[in-house]
Amino acid sequence: DADVTQTPRNRITKTGKRIMLECSQTKGHDRMYWYRQDPGLGLRLIYYSFDVKDINKGEISDGYSVSRQAQAKFSLSLESAIPNQTALYFCATSEDNPGELFFGEGSRLTVL
Amino acid sequence: QKEVEQNSGPLSVPEGAIASLNCTYSDRGSQSFFWYRQYSGKSPELIMFIYSNGDKEDGRFTAQLNKASQYVSLLIRDSQPSDSATYLCAVGKGAQKLVFGQGTRLTINP
Repeated sequence: DADVTQTPRNRITKTGKRIMLECSQTKGHDRMYWYRQDPGLGLRLIYYSFDVKDINKGEISDGYSVSRQAQAKFSLSLESAIPNQTALYFCATSEDNPGELFFGEGSRLTVL
Repeated sequence: QKEVEQNSGPLSVPEGAIASLNCTYSDRGSQSFFWYRQYSGKSPELIMFIYSNGDKEDGRFTAQLNKASQYVSLLIRDSQPSDSATYLCAVGKGAQKLVFGQGTRLTINP
């Protein structure tokens, strides 16, 4: 089993729908992240959390929200999905160094 | 100007040759530098990191950092077809922020 698990792996939805992407980890790391990957744009940080009570916005948080339900669980929500949120989403964890990331397998989201 | 810039490629290198991947960054306050490898359809994985000026070697991989010129590079010696992937440069700024380049697609030709 993967150390960082994302569900769903693929999702097609319609504009205006609410979507939740879930991430769970067994690495025991306190720090968790949500990134978005688009062709030609690399990985961009959406939100990050250093512990259950700590949630921080990344560079592209508009249109997204997160919930840290436990040390091992970090969910990303799109309250009202729009087509330009079509992308590959990665959850990641780290120990103290935010540069040493362990990624989940990714969730491919298509918004029609 | 992007904070972290890479040539998107594709970069094509014959098997057995040295592949050279380059990355420039704009913030002189950047403190840590990382190279991730991402195979097609897979998630990124960390392969190298470097914090000080100079070279750091790990097997066939060498990371090079020049803070004065604000560039970091990754050399892959004796390139193998299994090295074909997209390589992502990432730059750390302080304790919290990591900025990725757009990645360079590398193809090793047998």
